[in-house]
Amino acid sequence: DGGITQSPKYLFRKEGQNVTLSCEQNLNHDAMYWYRQDPGQGLRLIYYSQIVNDFQKGDIAEGYSVSREKKESFPLTVTSAQKNPTAFYLCASSYLGMGYTFGSGTRLTVV
Amino acid sequence: AQKITQTQPGMFVQEKEAVTLDCTYDTSDPSYGLFWYKQPSSGEMIFLIYQGSYDQQNATEGRYSLNFQKARKSANLVISASQLGDSAMYFCAMREGLNQFYFGTGTSLTVIP
Repeated sequence: DGGITQSPKYLFRKEGQNVTLSCEQNLNHDAMYWYRQDPGQGLRLIYYSQIVNDFQKGDIAEGYSVSREKKESFPLTVTSAQKNPTAFYLCASSYLGMGYTFGSGTRLTVV
Repeated sequence: AQKITQTQPGMFVQEKEAVTLDCTYDTSDPSYGLFWYKQPSSGEMIFLIYQGSYDQQNATEGRYSLNFQKARKSANLVISASQLGDSAMYFCAMREGLNQFYFGTGTSLTVIP
């Protein structure tokens, strides 16, 4: 079955550490996105990529980095520059303007 | 201006009753799409229903229907015969162009037995 796989489901980060969240899709979608969701809040766009080897900053890109070396993969790195990284992170993909397909999310906690 | 506005932070509905979740949008693009997603406590986002700006009829998917009023720029979600499993956050979203998406802040729906 086609879909988006996010891993890990839960992630704990120590202060000052970089961590990478994985997002893989087998839907052959060109566009991929990373969103952050804080408790009781909506989705905020971190980064998006519409094609391999190209990506754009979203509304809250500071402290995050991404790469898009393969169509299927769009990993998100939460760097030590992100001062408040505890949140729920959702990856999504879309094809030619159709709706998003979302992954099941990663809950990141700073310990 | 907000692209998507959901004015109901929380809603309650009795089981088996119908409920309407409000959504208004703002765009000058003649071609756009409107979506509703459900987010249960597990966190996954589940696609519910889609309405294209040129669609003449309101979209329906099982117990979900989208009340599309283009002139008023509203795209309300109607859930009929509510079930306990409908308790979740509901997000309205809009696509402009090919891949520019905007999400509302969500409505928390609680179904009361």
